[in-house]
Amino acid sequence: GDSVTQMEGPVTLSEEAFLTINCTYTATGYPSLFWYVQYPGEGLQLLLKATKADDKGSNKGFEATYRKETTSFHLEKGSVQVSDSAVYFCALSDRRAQKLVFGQGTRLTINP
Amino acid sequence: DADVTQTPRNRITKTGKRIMLECSQTKGHDRMYWYRQDPGLGLRLIYYSFDVKDINKGEISDGYSVSRQAQAKFSLSLESAIPNQTALYFCATSDSLAGARDTQYFGPGTRLTVL
Repeated sequence: GDSVTQMEGPVTLSEEAFLTINCTYTATGYPSLFWYVQYPGEGLQLLLKATKADDKGSNKGFEATYRKETTSFHLEKGSVQVSDSAVYFCALSDRRAQKLVFGQGTRLTINP
Repeated sequence: DADVTQTPRNRITKTGKRIMLECSQTKGHDRMYWYRQDPGLGLRLIYYSFDVKDINKGEISDGYSVSRQAQAKFSLSLESAIPNQTALYFCATSDSLAGARDTQYFGPGTRLTVL
């Protein structure tokens, strides 16, 4: 079945550092890809998405590009802030079953 | 007001008790979902409903049941709670329109502890 694998956390960075969180997927067909973010004590919220190969999703300074050839959707940000501390989930949409499949989540902590 | 609400936010119960978690939404979405979150395992789908008359099992439905009382309400029940059902539970909704159905909107979660 479809699956998503994220880099294991936790990840700890200093403020203004460059961030990459790796995400790879296995899927039949052509799924949509997502990054969700979970701030402490809250539910998940959509951060960005991409629906086809070579699409780039972006929001709040975060970016991710849908790479079909490497089945990847890595999350990047050029300069992180303390307020970016959260758990980040990569997910794909199983279009046939019309459900989301999530990775295990990566906890990110940014120190001032 | 939040678009997706969950009650209770926290619950501690004992093994064998029946528990109901409730979810309400004001987004007007047809589709609703229940997930559980465990450390290191991400979110796993328990049940989902594409409309009031449609209920489907997810990957981990054993030990759980659901009720879709109305378009806006979707409840999750644990008939006889056991300690390994201790987890954070999330409700989510999505639109049914093509192009919008992939994006899900989550409630704040219910932290359930089974002793």
